[in-house]
Amino acid sequence: QLQLQESGPGLVKPSETLSLTCTVSGGSISSSRYYWGWVRQPPGQGLDWIGSMYYSGRTFYNPSLKSRVTISVDTSKDHFSLKLNSVTAADTAVYYCARLPAAGTGWYFDLWGRGTLVTVSS
Amino acid sequence: NFMLTQPHSVSESPGKTITISCTRSSGSIASNYVQWYQQRPGSSPTTVIYEDNQRPSGVPDRFSGSIDSSSNSASLTISGLKTEDEADYYCHSNDGSIHGVFGGGTKLTVL
Repeated sequence: QLQLQESGPGLVKPSETLSLTCTVSGGSISSSRYYWGWVRQPPGQGLDWIGSMYYSGRTFYNPSLKSRVTISVDTSKDHFSLKLNSVTAADTAVYYCARLPAAGTGWYFDLWGRGTLVTVSS
Repeated sequence: NFMLTQPHSVSESPGKTITISCTRSSGSIASNYVQWYQQRPGSSPTTVIYEDNQRPSGVPDRFSGSIDSSSNSASLTISGLKTEDEADYYCHSNDGSIHGVFGGGTKLTVL
């Protein structure tokens, strides 16, 4: 069964770059049936879509974060990555990676990773 | 872009039926599919409804979704409430592309 696992530093200093990786196991990230994405959740708050990508490298970003976000893929390692630069305390959140079925037009998340907490603090 | 507005919290007794609303601020609710996610404390979200009214396998038929164009809103209805349904519920839609928007979430208390 396919699983997603986030990994990366749990603590990032203000103004630095947050870097996370999502590893896909039990399946291939190169499947034409799926897109892949990142969602974050600040402590005690709701969900916020960061961006999504296709295995070809095509990316889509939340306009509110677009200037600071890069999502990339490494198909040879079956993982995709998130970089968020110039972070502030407002970027402190649990970061989830998730899968989106390409069929239909729902663009919904059908599988989620367990999430990883990233704290921005000096 | 548009916003999705949900009630902050709802509560009901076990065995009863509850409906959580999700109102779209601009554009038609019917123009793009709506999803609903359940998030229990300390856990990742899981999908309970996708594409307005579809249930993933394993989700009981006590969960149903609907769209009301007159109020420009979507609804998640849970019948026969169980204590295990206590969770946060988020609606989600998009702008016609993969760009997603989440509602603020509704805390369901089953008491």
